[in-house]
Amino acid sequence: DAGVIQSPRHEVTEMGQEVTLRCKPISGHNSLFWYRQTMMRGLELLIYFNNNVPIDDSGMPEDRFSAKMPNASFSTLKIQPSEPRDSAVYFCASSLAQYQPQHFGDGTRLSIL
Amino acid sequence: AQRVTQPEKLLSVFKGAPVELKCNYSYSGSPELFWYVQYSRQRLQLLLRHISRESIKGFTADLNKGETSFHLKKPFAQEEDSAMYYCALSTGNQFYFGTGTSLTVIP
Repeated sequence: DAGVIQSPRHEVTEMGQEVTLRCKPISGHNSLFWYRQTMMRGLELLIYFNNNVPIDDSGMPEDRFSAKMPNASFSTLKIQPSEPRDSAVYFCASSLAQYQPQHFGDGTRLSIL
Repeated sequence: AQRVTQPEKLLSVFKGAPVELKCNYSYSGSPELFWYVQYSRQRLQLLLRHISRESIKGFTADLNKGETSFHLKKPFAQEEDSAMYYCALSTGNQFYFGTGTSLTVIP
């Protein structure tokens, strides 16, 4: 398996634009997690899904952030409108179950100008 | 409540010196503990898990239920050990990460 695949690897866009981050989990994994990593706040869990259903989105910063998982092999994290303070590395991770070790993607390095 | 505590945000040691990254957890049941490592600009990778009782890259970690700790140790630090280290806990129901410790090994 290729592991968790995220795209794009890097994204630079202007404030106010819509940003969509994509994730393909490991096949057979039932849980998917979105994290944000910054120097100031470390690794923050934004939202996670079990069997494509959002379970806990309490980490989502505000209404500008939304996440979907239309099927078992694809998830998106959308920011609209984007702001400079959203600049961070966004990681997607998947696991067999929500309590099992997570496997991380390479992350998307997002810069909002 | 914070389930996993890593008290040191930054840790610097000299090459060849012993290193210990601290991790304490809060859980009354039977925990499963993990250490993840993240090298510069790379993904987080699972380093070791306590049930394996193995040594990876010279690192070991022992689960101490009495002290609710799972400290990561290496007797002689190497420059390539410089990275971010995250302790993680599985309760059998949820998975929690600590806030991480950035280790710098000084040549």
